Amino acid sequence: NAGVTQTPKFRVLKTGQSMTLLCAQDMNHEYMYWYRQDPGMGLRLIHYSVGEGTTAKGEVPDGYNVSRLKKQNFLLGLESAAPSQTSVYFCASTKTGYTEAFFGQGTRLTVV
Amino acid sequence: GQQVMQIPQYQHVQEGEDFTTYCNSSTTLSNIQWYKQRPGGHPVFLIQLVKSGEVKKQKRLTFQFGEAKKNSSLHITATQTTDVGTYFCAATNTNAGKSTFGDGTTLTVKP
Repeated sequence: NAGVTQTPKFRVLKTGQSMTLLCAQDMNHEYMYWYRQDPGMGLRLIHYSVGEGTTAKGEVPDGYNVSRLKKQNFLLGLESAAPSQTSVYFCASTKTGYTEAFFGQGTRLTVV
Repeated sequence: GQQVMQIPQYQHVQEGEDFTTYCNSSTTLSNIQWYKQRPGGHPVFLIQLVKSGEVKKQKRLTFQFGEAKKNSSLHITATQTTDVGTYFCAATNTNAGKSTFGDGTTLTVKP
């Protein structure tokens, strides 16, 4: 049982490039989330999904898009990367909106 | 949106000293969760509190949920170097339908 898996684990992008981060969970959870964490700061919610085919904006959605075409996968896209998007990105999933969150290992993204 | 304040932001202790972090919400919560993130790692679930005034213990860790269900605390007795990391609370408001994380308290322990 792998839990929540994020790919890739590390990535360096040039300003203006695009990329997609993949999050996969094998726990049949309804809710999935994307957070970013900057040094010395907490977790800021980018986008989330309460079920297959649905997405919603979090606290810091600008510059990101998401898709939840399959229940087990939640994709985070950066269309035109900016240095301000240098961060560690965490994906998480929960069974409902009130249950414990399971986090992936994180993706460390650097935009130069 | 829901505001969750966590204090202190940083805490440095000598090994063996106690440590407490506090989480405060502006609204009544349906539950609160606590997570630990080791340096370089990802947040890991510790516990969930649901009932007013609830107290739960895990070895040297004591978790409390306030009577008004607006605040919570995590207390570590006799810290060890293995306790280092950032402790986050995640508060859930029934109307919000999802949790809001506090900014975390980063604990360093000097041996």
